[in-house]
Amino acid sequence: AQSVTQLDSHVSVSEGTPVLLRCNYSSSYSPSLFWYVQHPNKGLQLLLKYTSAATLVKGINGFEAEFKKSETSFHLTKPSAHMSDAAEYFCVVRTGFQKLVFGTGTRLLVSP
Amino acid sequence: ETGVTQSPTHLIKTRGQQVTLRCSSQSGHNTVSWYQQALGQGPQFIFQYYREEENGRGNFPPRFSGLQFPNYSSELNVNALELDDSALYLCASRQGGDTGELFFGEGSRLTVL
Repeated sequence: AQSVTQLDSHVSVSEGTPVLLRCNYSSSYSPSLFWYVQHPNKGLQLLLKYTSAATLVKGINGFEAEFKKSETSFHLTKPSAHMSDAAEYFCVVRTGFQKLVFGTGTRLLVSP
Repeated sequence: ETGVTQSPTHLIKTRGQQVTLRCSSQSGHNTVSWYQQALGQGPQFIFQYYREEENGRGNFPPRFSGLQFPNYSSELNVNALELDDSALYLCASRQGGDTGELFFGEGSRLTVL
């Protein structure tokens, strides 16, 4: 079965410093991977997706993620955090019949 | 274009009652999925509807049921509510096809007392 593991439940950064949110995946074949963001009392918004094209994927709001097959990882990064980035982030894998399997989430805290 | 809209936004029920949640899919989208997000957890797939037929189901009991209408809007029904059914219920829609992006609504928060 396909799954994702988010390695940190909480990540705290200062505004203007880099962000790294870690995700490992488990899949028997080339997966489709996503990062979603959820702001408080809001729905989920797609940040970026990997579907076996370029391994470095650029998303919205300056986020990007790199697919590393050798490490089974799909970490999310941003060079400089902004206060508005504070939210819950989910790493997600899509299964064969279009079901999304979510990780447990990483809460990003950004301090001034 | 309008996005995915869900109603009601909040509701409170008691154990044993039944609830119906509604979802209007984004214009042009023929596939609707429902997810349950318990507090502090990631969303879990309940089921998916494509052109009024259920075509995928997660690990949820039969008391969770759904419908999709000809206009592609959808309902989620939960019978015999249990305390553990308290959660945010998210609806998502997409255009049919393997690479269609899912667009999520803001959810219906159900509290079961």
